[in-house]
Amino acid sequence: SQTIHQWPATLVQPVGSPLSLECTVEGTSNPNLYWYRQAAGRGLQLLFYSVGIGQISSEVPQNLSASRPQDRQFILSSKKLLLSDSGFYLCAWNRGAGQGGSPLHFGNGTRLTVT
Amino acid sequence: TQLLEQSPQFLSIQEGENLTVYCNSSSVFSSLQWYRQEPGEGPVLLVTVVTGGEVKKLKRLTFQFGDARKDSSLHITAAQPGDTGLYLCAGVTQGAQKLVFGQGTRLTINP
Repeated sequence: SQTIHQWPATLVQPVGSPLSLECTVEGTSNPNLYWYRQAAGRGLQLLFYSVGIGQISSEVPQNLSASRPQDRQFILSSKKLLLSDSGFYLCAWNRGAGQGGSPLHFGNGTRLTVT
Repeated sequence: TQLLEQSPQFLSIQEGENLTVYCNSSSVFSSLQWYRQEPGEGPVLLVTVVTGGEVKKLKRLTFQFGDARKDSSLHITAAQPGDTGLYLCAGVTQGAQKLVFGQGTRLTINP
């Protein structure tokens, strides 16, 4: 069966520090991978998605970047965090034709607090 | 402008009551998904509806896709405390095939 791992679960970082959140998927190959951000208890905002290694699409211009160095690994990064980067970050995967493919499978998220 | 509007945004009711959550849009969707999310976890898929007018049941939960595929509803019968959570609808847009999420309905079932 497929599983998705996301870490760390919580993170407190000072303003101006770098960020690296990692997500890996097991049990499937060539998944579509996604990074979402969720405001407190609200809907999801798509940040980045990837349909293959090295292929990254950005939905919202911001202080963040994403990379996909391996087929089942997706990394969210920042060189210098801002207070506004605080939030709940979710990694997800699906199969098929991108966002219109199969429903999403989400990781358990990372709660990021920038102080 | 929110492409998918969910209502109500917050709902708190007593155990045993019935409730309906709505997901509305002026856009047509190829399909629509419903997720439930508990605090500190990622959303989990409940159901996908694809055909206009489609009704799907999941125990006490009934999901309906509008005839024109622009809206959907989730009805819960005899709500239980275990139904508490954030309910999110998400639609796949026609053409661009993008997945857009509603802002969610925070449901609390009081024992």
